[in-house]
Amino acid sequence: DTEVTQTPKHLVMGMTNKKSLKCEQHMGHRAMYWYKQKAKKPPELMFVYSYEKLSINESVPSRFSPECPNSSLLNLHLHALQPEDSALYLCASSQPGQENTEAFFGQGTRLTVV
Amino acid sequence: AQKITQTQPGMFVQEKEAVTLDCTYDTSDPSYGLFWYKQPSSGEMIFLIYQGSYDQQNATEGRYSLNFQKARKSANLVISASQLGDSAMYFCAMRALSGGYQKVTFGTGTKLQVIP
Repeated sequence: DTEVTQTPKHLVMGMTNKKSLKCEQHMGHRAMYWYKQKAKKPPELMFVYSYEKLSINESVPSRFSPECPNSSLLNLHLHALQPEDSALYLCASSQPGQENTEAFFGQGTRLTVV
Repeated sequence: AQKITQTQPGMFVQEKEAVTLDCTYDTSDPSYGLFWYKQPSSGEMIFLIYQGSYDQQNATEGRYSLNFQKARKSANLVISASQLGDSAMYFCAMRALSGGYQKVTFGTGTKLQVIP
């Protein structure tokens, strides 16, 4: 199983809503990532979890709150988002410390903030 | 700091022809990995090919090959016998140590369109 599963695939939320994005993998990877991708741009790293601990936060606003409840799951909690937060949110996983292994990506969640 | 540069925003190729997508990189980490991903309009990032900084031979995966020139810091992707399904965005990426952590940095991407 080389899949990273993200739910939901599409999400429309108002600026006062609270929602969560979910990501799951069963490849035994101990590094999981959230990326944000605007249209026609490359993915931008948001957070990295390594062995279920937050290791990198790329100065992401606090309205995005990541959570890694176990080695297979990664959540991104959203609250009081702005329209400019509308983007494709990609989750990825890999083995930490092994630069010769690829990161596997999910299909992403297309988020629209209205 | 690490940087990936893709200088071709868009490319056209005739079906069944070969095409080369350019990628140059910069890093101070002597141990790094270079990747190519394909992103169709559906959004998923599909891993294509990997090249390690210490690999002596160029990587190949089916119709994909990576032209790795370490001294020039380039890692170009060659797609042979292009197919209509190859039309997509292609991202070059590098995984290296940055600030004590393994980080993956993406280039700006090249949009490839295969013409029938």
